[in-house]
Amino acid sequence: GESVGLHLPTLSVQEGDNSIINCAYSNSASDYFIWYKQESGKGPQFIIDIRSNMDKRQGQRVTVLLNKTVKHLSLQIAATQPGDSAVYFCAETLNDYKLSFGAGTTVTVRA
Amino acid sequence: DGGITQSPKYLFRKEGQNVTLSCEQNLNHDAMYWYRQDPGQGLRLIYYSQIVNDFQKGDIAEGYSVSREKKESFPLTVTSAQKNPTAFYLCASKDRGRVSYGYTFGSGTRLTVV
Repeated sequence: GESVGLHLPTLSVQEGDNSIINCAYSNSASDYFIWYKQESGKGPQFIIDIRSNMDKRQGQRVTVLLNKTVKHLSLQIAATQPGDSAVYFCAETLNDYKLSFGAGTTVTVRA
Repeated sequence: DGGITQSPKYLFRKEGQNVTLSCEQNLNHDAMYWYRQDPGQGLRLIYYSQIVNDFQKGDIAEGYSVSREKKESFPLTVTSAQKNPTAFYLCASKDRGRVSYGYTFGSGTRLTVV
């Protein structure tokens, strides 16, 4: 599968491979994190979330990992499909106050 | 269907003009937010409102104004004081007390200064 250790603005993935998208968040006190998918010209769509008292959460074809020691969040997508091509953002919040977004990673799936 | 509607989808503004972007939601959400998105960048918070008749500045409020007279509506005015208004603007809403799945985004308004 395709993976990056640090945040990169773009990621190219072969269809069927696994993808790993990384995000460094800024506030060590943040207690809730969300991954969003944004297709061109549209608003962000919720993918999966995780609370700060967890280190892993799984959804359908997606897994989010949280490493609070290094303030790092990752999104793993299994068996990447063409419909997964989009920009992916992580977001953090403290006490549900407001969402702060990371810079985003553009994922392109190669047929 | 419940949802959040932004209008117009595309908006063109001349230099020196104020423009107002509409955001309406029928989700009965208490909190509403405005974000700005520039190419290749994440979303930055402009203004937010937790309840009717109350709102707070976000990280980049200069050159923008909002009102929250009704629970369903949170219009954003881009004033002539905003130095670089060309961007994609996103509105969001959330039910207070529910964090998970709680943020719903509109489809955005693309503003271009001509």
